[in-house]
Amino acid sequence: GAVVSQHPSRVICKSGTSVKIECRSLDFQATTMFWYRQFPKQSLMLMATSNEGSKATYEQGVEKDKFLINHASLTLSTLTVASAHPEDSSFYICSARGTGNGYTFGSGTRLTVV
Amino acid sequence: GENVEQHPSTLSVQEGDSAVIKCTYSDSASNYFPWYKQELGKGPQLIIDIRSNVGEKKDQRIAVTLNKTAKHFSLHITETQPEDSAVYFCAASRAQGAQKLVFGQGTRLTINP
Repeated sequence: GAVVSQHPSRVICKSGTSVKIECRSLDFQATTMFWYRQFPKQSLMLMATSNEGSKATYEQGVEKDKFLINHASLTLSTLTVASAHPEDSSFYICSARGTGNGYTFGSGTRLTVV
Repeated sequence: GENVEQHPSTLSVQEGDSAVIKCTYSDSASNYFPWYKQELGKGPQLIIDIRSNVGEKKDQRIAVTLNKTAKHFSLHITETQPEDSAVYFCAASRAQGAQKLVFGQGTRLTINP
């Protein structure tokens, strides 16, 4: 079946630094990738949608200058949290969709900003 | 945009009993309805999905029903086992357009031995 690899699984960084999270589709071409944020005991909130080779579409209220998304190829999308602060601490999850209707999720990245 | 409501937020059942989780959606153009199981610290895993041209789908102990007229769909788990304990999310999306997957609030299911 479709597999999405997300790295790192957890990262701790100092306030003010930037963190990059990678999401790779291993056995299919992801025409669209999605990035979600999940706070403890809450649902997944969509942050942005990206299509290969074009700019990401951000959901209302999500700062595009803080959450930089690059979808440079059909198998790789990256989310960079720029100048991270403690309030950015959360569980970030990517999802990839190919030519079918299914959405495959990565295993998530636990970001802690200290 | 789409809004998905999920109930209950927590559900506790005895091992071997059935569990039912219900969701409603607002966008009549939505036509894809997956259910995900999420264990602590992990990403969501698809357990079953249904498309709008079908009213019911079953996979062993898991079934999903869809009522397009009422815009609601439900997850049914029979003969529950302790390993079914997790958080379950329903979601909805359109096949065309933005294809955004909108999630319900989640249900924490606990199976008591």
